[in-house]
Amino acid sequence: DGGITQSPKYLFRKEGQNVTLSCEQNLNHDAMYWYRQDPGQGLRLIYYSQIVNDFQKGDIAEGYSVSREKKESFPLTVTSAQKNPTAFYLCASSIGVGSGYTFGSGTRLTVV
Amino acid sequence: AQSVTQLDSQVPVFEEAPVELRCNYSSSVSVYLFWYVQYPNQGLQLLLKYLSGSTLVKGINGFEAEFNKSQTSFHLRKPSVHISDTAEYFCAVSLTTDSWGKLQFGAGTQVVVTP
Repeated sequence: DGGITQSPKYLFRKEGQNVTLSCEQNLNHDAMYWYRQDPGQGLRLIYYSQIVNDFQKGDIAEGYSVSREKKESFPLTVTSAQKNPTAFYLCASSIGVGSGYTFGSGTRLTVV
Repeated sequence: AQSVTQLDSQVPVFEEAPVELRCNYSSSVSVYLFWYVQYPNQGLQLLLKYLSGSTLVKGINGFEAEFNKSQTSFHLRKPSVHISDTAEYFCAVSLTTDSWGKLQFGAGTQVVVTP
């Protein structure tokens, strides 16, 4: 079955460390997105990409980085510059305008 | 720029009672509208969407929504809820002119169904 796989489901990070969240899709979707979810704040866009080797900053890109070397993969790195990284991170993909998104099951990141 | 407002942060409802979740949007151009559901510690799942045509849209799990252009609203309804409908619900919009189809989400409405 086609879908989006996010891994790991839970991730713990020490302060000062970079961590990378994986997002893989086999839907042949061009567009991929990363969102951050905090209680009561809805979903906030971190980065998005529509084609390989190209991506755009979203509303809260500071402290994050991404790459898009393959159509299927859009990993997100949470760097030590992100001051408050504890959150639920969601990856999504889309086939284009009006189609909506397909979401992964999320990664919960906790700083310890 | 567009914005989405979900008017209720939490809606308590008894099992088998009806529920309505309110969503208003603002945009200078026409939009596509979506409702998603999120169960605890999971991703979001599409309930329904409005692109064009009939303003009453039916979705999965017995949900429906009505697009009202004059009131810029897209309220979600279900005539009889089940315990399993306990979840968070998100309204989202995208501009018809945005070729990337990026979604702007509301803050979410938590629905709690009790026996």
